[in-house]
Amino acid sequence: NAGVTQTPKFQVLKTGQSMTLQCAQDMNHEYMSWYRQDPGMGLRLIHYSVGAGITDQGEVPNGYNVSRSTTEDFPLRLLSAAPSQTSVYFCASSFTFTGGTFDTQYFGPGTRLTVL
Amino acid sequence: GEDVEQSLFLSVREGDSSVINCTYTDSSSTYLYWYKQEPGAGLQLLTYIFSNMDMKQDQRLTVLLNKKDKHLSLRIADTQTGDSAIYFCAEGITGGGNKLTFGTGTQLKVEL
Repeated sequence: NAGVTQTPKFQVLKTGQSMTLQCAQDMNHEYMSWYRQDPGMGLRLIHYSVGAGITDQGEVPNGYNVSRSTTEDFPLRLLSAAPSQTSVYFCASSFTFTGGTFDTQYFGPGTRLTVL
Repeated sequence: GEDVEQSLFLSVREGDSSVINCTYTDSSSTYLYWYKQEPGAGLQLLTYIFSNMDMKQDQRLTVLLNKKDKHLSLRIADTQTGDSAIYFCAEGITGGGNKLTFGTGTQLKVEL
């Protein structure tokens, strides 16, 4: 198993450009999520999905779109990049999402995005 | 609202014990986690504790939970240079869709 993979590892964009951050998992996990990590602020949830075809907003969703057409993939789209979106982005997945029992979230290695 | 706070830095000598502290505000938290992030890598789950527990020990790691004070700590015994990393505490809530609220992270530096 490759676990959770993310591409690209690094990306530099100009303000107003669009791009898609890719995330894939091969563990047949139902739950997938995107976080951004900023200095001194920990990780903040952007969007999450509890299964194919189902997505919902997290704490900081503005400026980002997601879709979940398959169980394996959960891409994050920046439609018009802004300098405030300079961050490290992590994708995570877990087998279930009920929250009623412990459910380990597995994290990808991250994508470092700089918006000039 | 939910808020999880940690001190930003901790420096210890190799072989000493490290104690990383965390406070949270949401009393409905069901379980609390400790994650480790090494440079350039994603987060790795170290351990977790259910909110109805006071303590959990896992090899060199000891987690203490004071639910009354909403205080969580992670003790690393015999700290090694390989323990140098950023440590995040996070809280999760039953029925919260497995969404986690993370602290700001504590950077642990282990000196020889």
